[in-house]
Amino acid sequence: GAVVSQHPSRVICKSGTSVKIECRSLDFQATTMFWYRQFPKQSLMLMATSNEGSKATYEQGVEKDKFLINHASLTLSTLTVTSAHPEDSSFYICSARTRTYNEQFFGPGTRLTVL
Amino acid sequence: AQKITQTQPGMFVQEKEAVTLDCTYDTSDPSYGLFWYKQPSSGEMIFLIYQGSYDQQNATEGRYSLNFQKARKSANLVISSSQLGDSAMYFCAMREGHGSSNTGKLIFGQGTTLQVKP
Repeated sequence: GAVVSQHPSRVICKSGTSVKIECRSLDFQATTMFWYRQFPKQSLMLMATSNEGSKATYEQGVEKDKFLINHASLTLSTLTVTSAHPEDSSFYICSARTRTYNEQFFGPGTRLTVL
Repeated sequence: AQKITQTQPGMFVQEKEAVTLDCTYDTSDPSYGLFWYKQPSSGEMIFLIYQGSYDQQNATEGRYSLNFQKARKSANLVISSSQLGDSAMYFCAMREGHGSSNTGKLIFGQGTTLQVKP
């Protein structure tokens, strides 16, 4: 299957700082990428849909000024958690959709801990 | 609104036995796709199997098969001959639409933690 990478895999930061997470499709072009958030022992919740060259579409209840998403190229989307607080600590996972539409591949996830 | 329900928070199965993980869904869209993913403790989401709403036959991928009962809106995952490495969290997910008309958005169930006993 296609490969999606995320960087960093783990990050610890101080409250008030901003953290950028990268999601890359390594061997295919992804016109659409998705960002999910997962709390321990819980399900994945879709945060936003990232389309190359346009503004991201956020799900209800997700603060767009808090979670900045940029999809600058067909292989890269970034999520920036601005002014992070301890409640933002979570597992963030991206996924990328292939041009065939029926397949979607997930990155390995980024574990964010805000102190 | 679309909804995915997994009613089994945790399951145990003996090694080499088969196990069925339940998943029911609700949608008003006649075109949709159903997915199963495995999430081990490392956190990565591993795609297991896909079933399209118009597919006539149940999907199968190696030891995984999907028992698709459209009228009952259920899409249970069957793992045959369980292995210790199958111990993980399993998620059922749904995507509305098909082909180029689908948004790609996945809605996930609550997940089922499977533990395989030696």
